[in-house]
Amino acid sequence: EAGVTQFPSHSVIEKGQTVTLRCDPISGHDNLYWYRRVMGKEIKFLLHFVKESKQDESGMPNNRFLAERTGGTYSTLKVQPAELEDSGVYFCASSQGPEKTSGNTIYFGEGSWLTVV
Amino acid sequence: KNEVEQSPQNLTAQEGEFITINCSYSVGISALHWLQQHPGGGIVSLFMLSSGKKKHGRLIATINIQEKHSSLHITASHPRDSAVYICAVRNAGGTSYGKLTFGQGTILTVHP
Repeated sequence: EAGVTQFPSHSVIEKGQTVTLRCDPISGHDNLYWYRRVMGKEIKFLLHFVKESKQDESGMPNNRFLAERTGGTYSTLKVQPAELEDSGVYFCASSQGPEKTSGNTIYFGEGSWLTVV
Repeated sequence: KNEVEQSPQNLTAQEGEFITINCSYSVGISALHWLQQHPGGGIVSLFMLSSGKKKHGRLIATINIQEKHSSLHITASHPRDSAVYICAVRNAGGTSYGKLTFGQGTILTVHP
């Protein structure tokens, strides 16, 4: 069974450009999460989808970030326009639902490394 | 000060040594995760704890809810254990299972 896959693995863009990161969760996982680690800092939660709905987007840093999960399958995270401080690693993770089930393992992708120059 | 603090930040050991990584947190939690990230690789969930102790192979994780502290132990360490170990907590009362607060990570290097 395929794990959580993210694309691209690495991306270098110029300040002001747009980048779209994609995450394919494990098939059948209703919950999808985005996190990011900027240089020298700890990983931070960005948002949580349950199927196609945003359950919690309290970690999204500003309105330059737009996450979507149309159809409840894969998700995209768009940064527009990108700024230097957006550089970092963006991780996606998924888990089975419903969340009230205890012991759900969270499966992480390998991350998308974004460098804004 | 972060809500989740790990110590040490860097740890170097010789193969075979017993290793302990500590995690302290300042908020009420419903669960604590220990995660592993190898260089250039993705993150793997090692344990999820809400109380007591769990063991998987050479890895042991313990948590003391009253003291707001958890430890990850590695027995008979091996160079392949070299990785970043990350503690992450889910705040009590949170509605999102994966809304985690992360520690800064502990970089472990095990020499042969």
